[in-house]
Amino acid sequence: AQSVAQPEDQVNVAEGNPLTVKCTYSVSGNPYLFWYVQYPNRGLQFLLKYITGDNLVKGSYGFEAEFNKSQTSFHLKKPSALVSDSALYFCAVRDGDQAGTALIFGKGTTLSVSS
Amino acid sequence: DTGVSQNPRHKITKRGQNVTFRCDPISEHNRLYWYRQTLGQGPEFLTYFQNEAQLEKSRLLSDRFSAERPKGSFSTLEIQRTEQGDSAMYLCASSPLDYREAFFGQGTRLTVV
Repeated sequence: AQSVAQPEDQVNVAEGNPLTVKCTYSVSGNPYLFWYVQYPNRGLQFLLKYITGDNLVKGSYGFEAEFNKSQTSFHLKKPSALVSDSALYFCAVRDGDQAGTALIFGKGTTLSVSS
Repeated sequence: DTGVSQNPRHKITKRGQNVTFRCDPISEHNRLYWYRQTLGQGPEFLTYFQNEAQLEKSRLLSDRFSAERPKGSFSTLEIQRTEQGDSAMYLCASSPLDYREAFFGQGTRLTVV
């Protein structure tokens, strides 16, 4: 069964500084990896995904993530944080080699960007 | 594409009552997911449909929970004999393919008093 770990409950960063939100995964087959963001009282919004190809994927709002197969990681990054990036971020994984498997989420990381 | 629609948005029920939630996925999305989310936590997987077939169900899911997706369109999630621990946000999501992202509805907030 697949699983996701987000080791940090909260990440604090100053506006304009780079940010990283960490994610590691466990899956039997090839991972399909996703990042979602949730603002207060809003639904989950898709940011980016890795299915295959280039290990560095770019997504919405200037976010990017790097897939590292040897470290089973998919960390979310942004070169310059904005106060408006403050939200709850979720990493998710599915086993790409097994059709019909569920999309499993991590517990989330709260990103706080100070001005 | 009107997005994933969930009804009702809020539900307050007395302990021991049954409740049913509805999810209308994006049309032609044959994958449909139900999740439960409590405050500050990640979505906890409940169950997954591909068309009308329920392919996976969380082992943590109590027998009081049941879900259906007749004809592979909308889905319902029923909770029987509700308990205070069932209070949470229930999220529905749909996607067209396994390698495509899932689109989430706004959720149904259940409060059991």
